[in-house]
Parts: sequence; C-alpha cells; structure tokens
Amino acid sequence: AIQLTQSPSSLSASVGDRVTITCRASQGIGSALAWYQQTPGKPPKLLIYDASTLESGVPSRFSGSGSGTDFTLTFNSLQPEDFATYYCQQFNIYPYTFGQGTKLDIK
Amino acid sequence: QVQLQESGPGRVKPSETLSLSCSVSGDSIRGYYWTWIRQPAGKGLEWIGHIYTSGNTRYNPSLKSRVTMSVDTSKNQFSLKVTSVTAADTAVYYCARGDWAFKSWGQGTLVTVSS
Repeated sequence: AIQLTQSPSSLSASVGDRVTITCRASQGIGSALAWYQQTPGKPPKLLIYDASTLESGVPSRFSGSGSGTDFTLTFNSLQPEDFATYYCQQFNIYPYTFGQGTKLDIK
Repeated sequence: QVQLQESGPGRVKPSETLSLSCSVSGDSIRGYYWTWIRQPAGKGLEWIGHIYTSGNTRYNPSLKSRVTMSVDTSKNQFSLKVTSVTAADTAVYYCARGDWAFKSWGQGTLVTVSS
C-alpha cells in the first residue's frame, strides 16, 4: 500500500499566519490527492481534491499544490475555525490510504 | 443534499461479527460508490472499502477476507460486515459517498469490541 507521510505531525500557529503542511507519498500518485479537515467529534470535511481543486464552499484561503510524490496544503491567513486536524488521502492506487494527520493548534 | 446515517450495535464481542448499516436520504443510492472508513480513537483514518450500486466491491487487503459490503437499493441503504473482530477493530466507523474523494459523510458510529 502507498504510504503517505505528513509533516509536521503537529503545528502551533496564530490567527493571521500563513501555514503550509506537506504530504509525501511513498510512490508517485500523479495528482490523485485529497485534503480533509477534521474537528473533534466530527467526520472529516473535504477541502481539496485532485491535489489543487478547491471543493465547493471551501474558503479561498485554502490552497493545494503538488504532483507525483510531494504535495502541500497552504493556509493564507489562518482563521480561528481553521484550528483542526488535517489529513491527506491518495486515490491513485487501491487500497486508498490516508496520512497520519497534522494537528494545527493555536499558539 | 444527501445525508448519511450509520446504525448498528455499539458493542461487539471478540470473535463475533460487526454489522453496520448506512441509511441514505436526500438522494437516490443508485449510480454512486458508497464507502466505509474507520478511525480508532485518537488515530488516523483507514479506508475499509467501497461498493457500487451494481454490487461491485473493492476491499482493503489489510482486513483480508473479513469484510463484506452489500447494498439494498429498495431501502436506500448499504451495509458493512466484519467477521472475527478483535480489539483492533474498535473504532468510529463512517460511511461516505464517493469512490475516490469523499464529499458526504455520516456522523460516525463508535463500535467497541469487548466481552
């Protein structure tokens, strides 16, 4: 199975900061990557798919980039509601797999 | 807007079978892939597998041959069975719509494997 490694595993930041999370795949997956946001007790929410396509209704301060094995999720100007855990997920090869998560909390 | 709701026992004994259903409302179940994902407490997400409304399935090899999914279009619901459960199967189980990226999710149901 393809392994996805996110870095960092946790991150402290302040409202208004620009933050980048990375996701590295153990083998090339083209652009078949999605990003999710999860808050405690809730299901994940799809933010981005195809590495860089913003899901409908997701604020434009979120952006994704990358292809092959290296991907990033960037937040331009963090908002209070952005403090959550973020997961990447590949859908290029079965079984689909997720990264271990990056917990973003308030500094 | 489609809504999904998981249901099933919250506790299953070791070596027994975990059975969950996901009821779909707000849209037809036909013509979509339906997925099960689980998340142990405090841990990451694991894709269990998916089923198309034709009945075609794809499962995660990590669960080997213990998983079976089915769909009932007349009831607009789909189901998951995991046999021979152990403590390692304790998790929140989510159902979701989609075959690759998951836009719609149920709220999740906690299943604890314990005697």
